[in-house]
Amino acid sequence: NAGVTQTPKFQVLKTGQSMTLQCAQDMNHNSMYWYRQDPGMGLRLIYYSASEGTTDKGEVPNGYNVSRLNKREFSLRLESAAPSQTSVYFCASSTSHTNTGELFFGEGSRLTVL
Amino acid sequence: AQTVTQSQPEMSVQEAETVTLSCTYDTSESDYYLFWYKQPPSRQMILVIRQEAYKQQNATENRFSVNFQKAAKSFSLKISDSQLGDAAMYFCAYSIAGNMLTFGGGTRLMVKP
Repeated sequence: NAGVTQTPKFQVLKTGQSMTLQCAQDMNHNSMYWYRQDPGMGLRLIYYSASEGTTDKGEVPNGYNVSRLNKREFSLRLESAAPSQTSVYFCASSTSHTNTGELFFGEGSRLTVL
Repeated sequence: AQTVTQSQPEMSVQEAETVTLSCTYDTSESDYYLFWYKQPPSRQMILVIRQEAYKQQNATENRFSVNFQKAAKSFSLKISDSQLGDAAMYFCAYSIAGNMLTFGGGTRLMVKP
């Protein structure tokens, strides 16, 4: 039961480097999300994709781009990493963006930007 | 903008005892959803319990129950008969229709054997 799978789990970058976080879900969910988690601030939504072919900004989109490659995959890209982007990133999915229900989360990706 | 506040950064409970985690939220909406998510040390978040604001009855899931006070905008989580496996970060979350969840800052629960 894979659920939501994120890669890589850990990454260290230097300021200015770029990288892509990959996320895939095998639950045939329509909607996918990227959150970042910082101490004392809970999770904040970066971008989401309500359905295949659509993406929208969340609360903290600056410095990030996303691609909904197909129904299964939703990637998050940092074009020029900054120390402020040091965080734990979580991908999540749900059956429908308009049907408030359970989000299914991946295990997270810890990113450190030096 | 909606905000969710968890005023207890850390809580501890003795195994088999009961603990209550607090959550307050601010909203002008009348219809919304509230959640408690658990994040164990393995870091994968899982849904513990869900409450629809239009329901007066408090949600219950086995040892987990909520005390939903709509007028006070309070949504606390009670864990009965605490077990070692309950040790985790707990996040309160709010949403209006749709899955744009707003999370609180989290409460770390420690369970003492």
